[in-house]
Amino acid sequence: DAGVTQSPTHLIKTRGQQVTLRCSPKSGHDTVSWYQQALGQGPQFIFQYYEEEERQRGNFPDRFSGHQFPNYSSELNVNALLLGDSALYLCASHRESYGYTFGSGTRLTVV
Amino acid sequence: QQQVKQSPQSLIVQKGGIPIINCAYENTAFDYFPWYQQFPGKGPALLIAIRPDVSEKKEGRFTISFNKSAKQFSLHIMDSQPGDSATYFCAASRAQAAGNKLTFGGGTRVLVKP
Repeated sequence: DAGVTQSPTHLIKTRGQQVTLRCSPKSGHDTVSWYQQALGQGPQFIFQYYEEEERQRGNFPDRFSGHQFPNYSSELNVNALLLGDSALYLCASHRESYGYTFGSGTRLTVV
Repeated sequence: QQQVKQSPQSLIVQKGGIPIINCAYENTAFDYFPWYQQFPGKGPALLIAIRPDVSEKKEGRFTISFNKSAKQFSLHIMDSQPGDSATYFCAASRAQAAGNKLTFGGGTRVLVKP
């Protein structure tokens, strides 16, 4: 059983560009959350998707947007990239209240 | 606002020692407290979790102690091994709430020397 799959694993973008990160949840999971993990810090909650709608959002600007598809997979989009957006972006899936499973993340570098 | 504070930032122990990591939270609505282990280049993996209705939980060599009145909880790694060298994160959430996001501590880098 594949866990949470994220793509790509690494990405280098230039300031001002736009990026799309993808996530396939663990089988049986219907909820997807995205987290940003800066180097040496704990993950910070970006937003959560359930039934194809954003259910909760953390303290991130509107440049960060997302989408969930009918098969529960999800995308994270970041517009107008800043140097400070360089981080590991983690996708986590779960069903109901427990059992978060994280993917290995996408390492985004903005130059 | 940092709602979960974790200490220490780093820890070095000899093989067989017992690293202890402490966390304190502010939001009394939190009712689920997991610990995650993260290796370089990997996402966090759930180690063990506790609910506030118990004061201690053990799973293998990992033990969580929970003090509800002090709003603190800690992770003990018994008989630590070099393979336990990783970054450990405590977290908290309102498990019964819709959109139950995890709030993480800042992490503790643990190095177990052979």
